[in-house]
Amino acid sequence: EAGVTQFPSHSVIEKGQTVTLRCDPISGHDNLYWYRRVMGKEIKFLLHFVKESKQDESGMPNNRFLAERTGGTYSTLKVQPAELEDSGVYFCASSQEWSSGRNWLLSEQFFGPGTRLTVL
Amino acid sequence: TQLLEQSPQFLSIQEGENLTVYCNSSSVFSSLQWYRQEPGEGPVLLVTVVTGGEVKKLKRLTFQFGDARKDSSLHITAAQPGDTGLYLCAGGSARQLTFGSGTQLTVLP
Repeated sequence: EAGVTQFPSHSVIEKGQTVTLRCDPISGHDNLYWYRRVMGKEIKFLLHFVKESKQDESGMPNNRFLAERTGGTYSTLKVQPAELEDSGVYFCASSQEWSSGRNWLLSEQFFGPGTRLTVL
Repeated sequence: TQLLEQSPQFLSIQEGENLTVYCNSSSVFSSLQWYRQEPGEGPVLLVTVVTGGEVKKLKRLTFQFGDARKDSSLHITAAQPGDTGLYLCAGGSARQLTFGSGTQLTVLP
């Protein structure tokens, strides 16, 4: 079974440009998460999709970031326009079924290899 | 804002030695997870602990969740070079995971 994949693995762009990151979760996983790790800091939560719906986007830093998951399969995270402080590694993770009455945090999250974004 | 402090930040030991990594917070978490990350890869879950005082063992790794569910430790017995990697703790509360900054472990042969 294929794991979580992310594309591209690296992206170097100039300040003000737009970048779109893609995440393909494990097939059949309802939950999809985006995280990022900026230089020297800890991994931070950005948002959580349950199928195609945004369950929690409280970690999104500002309105330059837009995440979508059309059809509840793959997800994209667009940064427009990119700023220097957006540089870091963006991770995607997925986990199995969603149940509102269940502690979903106990479902193992499988992480992708990350996309390293450098904004010059 | 919930914070998880990991210590030490870096640890370099000889093969066969024992070590303990700590994860501390002033906040209570409903669960605590430990991950290991290799260069160029994403974190991989090692264990989840949910009950205060819980101890879980995974071969040479022993994980403990503090009684008050604010802290956790990871103990490795007889470390091997294959244990080298970045170890991350992550606390679960509400609907999010809060990660610690990580402990970079290097086990020298």
